[in-house]
Amino acid sequence: GENVEQHPSTLSVQEGDSAVIKCTYSDSASNYFPWYKQELGKGPQLIIDIRSNVGEKKDQRIAVTLNKTAKHFSLHITETQPEDSAVYFCAASKNQGGKLIFGQGTELSVKP
Amino acid sequence: GAVVSQHPSWVICKSGTSVKIECRSLDFQATTMFWYRQFPKQSLMLMATSNEGSKATYEQGVEKDKFLINHASLTLSTLTVTSAHPEDSSFYICSARDRQKLPEELFFGEGSRLTVL
Repeated sequence: GENVEQHPSTLSVQEGDSAVIKCTYSDSASNYFPWYKQELGKGPQLIIDIRSNVGEKKDQRIAVTLNKTAKHFSLHITETQPEDSAVYFCAASKNQGGKLIFGQGTELSVKP
Repeated sequence: GAVVSQHPSWVICKSGTSVKIECRSLDFQATTMFWYRQFPKQSLMLMATSNEGSKATYEQGVEKDKFLINHASLTLSTLTVTSAHPEDSSFYICSARDRQKLPEELFFGEGSRLTVL
């Protein structure tokens, strides 16, 4: 079945630095790749997503890149702030609105 | 934005009892909802897909007789953990699909934390 691998599992950066989280997926039929931010004790919140017909998408300090050939996609956060500290999950789906397969999660810590 | 509400947000029960968790889409109709389970410091694992008016589709390894899912209306799906045991203690999260939006959007609830003593 579909599998999504996410690295690193933990990431610590200084405030103002950039953070990069990478994911690979196994099912070539996947065409929708969202990223979620989860704070302690809460449900996941969508922060950015990308579809397979696009290679890169940016929203202020957050960007996502997709390499369909290599089957990997990455989250880039620039100018990190302490409030960016949370667990981030990548996910893959065969269609937007369909069932999501999540990566293992990355615990991001931004030190002031 | 669309809101998905889960109730209760946390529940403690005794081993052997059953617990029902509700997932409601507050401002849209959701013909499909998804139920996930998340153990501490782990990822979200899909348990089942809940379809309004029909039987849920369970993922491999998820016991359908233990995790009863009912999706009787377009805004409500329920997950009942039957004969709960301590190993069922987990964070249960639902998501609902808004099919009236194009492309379709998926919204997550805030989760329900179950602790079985």
